[in-house]
Amino acid sequence: GQNIDQPTEMTATEGAIVQINCTYQTSGFNGLFWYQQHAGEAPTFLSYNVLDGLEEKGRFSSFLSRSKGYSYLLLKELQMKDSASYLCAVPLNSGYSTLTFGKGTMLLVSP
Amino acid sequence: DTGVSQNPRHKITKRGQNVTFRCDPISEHNRLYWYRQTLGQGPEFLTYFQNEAQLEKSRLLSDRFSAERPKGSFSTLEIQRTEQGDSAMYLCASSPWTGGTDTQYFGPGTRLTVL
Repeated sequence: GQNIDQPTEMTATEGAIVQINCTYQTSGFNGLFWYQQHAGEAPTFLSYNVLDGLEEKGRFSSFLSRSKGYSYLLLKELQMKDSASYLCAVPLNSGYSTLTFGKGTMLLVSP
Repeated sequence: DTGVSQNPRHKITKRGQNVTFRCDPISEHNRLYWYRQTLGQGPEFLTYFQNEAQLEKSRLLSDRFSAERPKGSFSTLEIQRTEQGDSAMYLCASSPWTGGTDTQYFGPGTRLTVL
């Protein structure tokens, strides 16, 4: 089965850089997703990595190392609106589509 | 806006009552998923459809739960004889699956409270 670990909470200051880590264990690998979820709202897609390396998308970047079972989400130039839960997810063993999510990392950005 | 929509957004019911939720996916998305999320947890997969066919159901989906997607467009999730443990956010997502791993786009969810 899948096992996904993320830190429960992180705090950072506006304008700073923060790295949110995710480690996973799967019997087969079909990529890794990052979603952002503000309180009471739907998860919003941020990134998908299937190959090793860093993918940059504006202020957000996502890194993957398949050999280490490790990913991180890097947020630069933090803004107050980045305060949210960040969810790491991988497809379930039984297929490519259904996702197993980590518990999420609650990021609090302070002034 | 042509995102995923869900109705109602909030539902309060008494234990033992039946409830039904509706999800309208992004137009032309052939896959539709249902997840459940409780406070402090990530979403947990319940079931998914490809067009009108229900392809997979999680062990979390007890006999009291049933989902349909009769015409391959909107879907309904019904919970019979609700229990307090059913209180959660029920999320729907859709994707334009063409093979392999696809990106799922989530709706705003229906928050269920069972008293």
